Amino acid sequence: RKEVEQDPGPFNVPEGATVAFNCTYSNSASQSFFWYRQDCRKEPKLLMSVYSSGNEDGRFTAQLNRASQYISLLIRDSKLSDSATYLCVVILPMDTGRRALTFGSGTRLQVQP
Amino acid sequence: ETGVTQSPTHLIKTRGQQVTLRCSSQSGHNTVSWYQQALGQGPQFIFQYYREEENGRGNFPPRFSGLQFPNYSSELNVNALELDDSALYLCASSSDSTPYEQYFGPGTRLTVT
Repeated sequence: RKEVEQDPGPFNVPEGATVAFNCTYSNSASQSFFWYRQDCRKEPKLLMSVYSSGNEDGRFTAQLNRASQYISLLIRDSKLSDSATYLCVVILPMDTGRRALTFGSGTRLQVQP
Repeated sequence: ETGVTQSPTHLIKTRGQQVTLRCSSQSGHNTVSWYQQALGQGPQFIFQYYREEENGRGNFPPRFSGLQFPNYSSELNVNALELDDSALYLCASSSDSTPYEQYFGPGTRLTVT
């Protein structure tokens, strides 16, 4: 079983739509979580951290559900420029010393005009 | 832009050869992590260098090795290249204060034939 799992998509949504992605993790002792965005053939870029109480950054909302071991990313009012792959990142307990990021395989979003 | 640079951008090698990839970290960052990203997958942690010492390693064989220099730039060396080593190699830099906020370079795309 993979440590971090994501639905690969693609999620095809019209401009202006609201879309949500989930990411499940297997190790209940994981402490830190992030969302990265990766454009086609580019490097991943940090989108936002995920806090226990949930957090919002403009049109983006991230939430953590420890009981069910998943994190989510909600994008409101989708723009064409939101088209990208969204990578979930979990810091596993064994990685706190070596500061390694464990990535999911990513969920591809395609926003259509 | 993150300020993390990598060279070369593209490289073609044949099986059995050796390759060296280079990374310059963002100013003020003392930690460099290397990741391998195969097509359609999320990045996988190779290893990390902190203050010129290896600070942790993922599930990669010893033919993957690295260095970090006093200016915190880093090299990734891969010996005895295999076809499966074809991937995007990403380096990421971070600081002590926010070790999980890692800023990625544009990557080196390695093709092994």
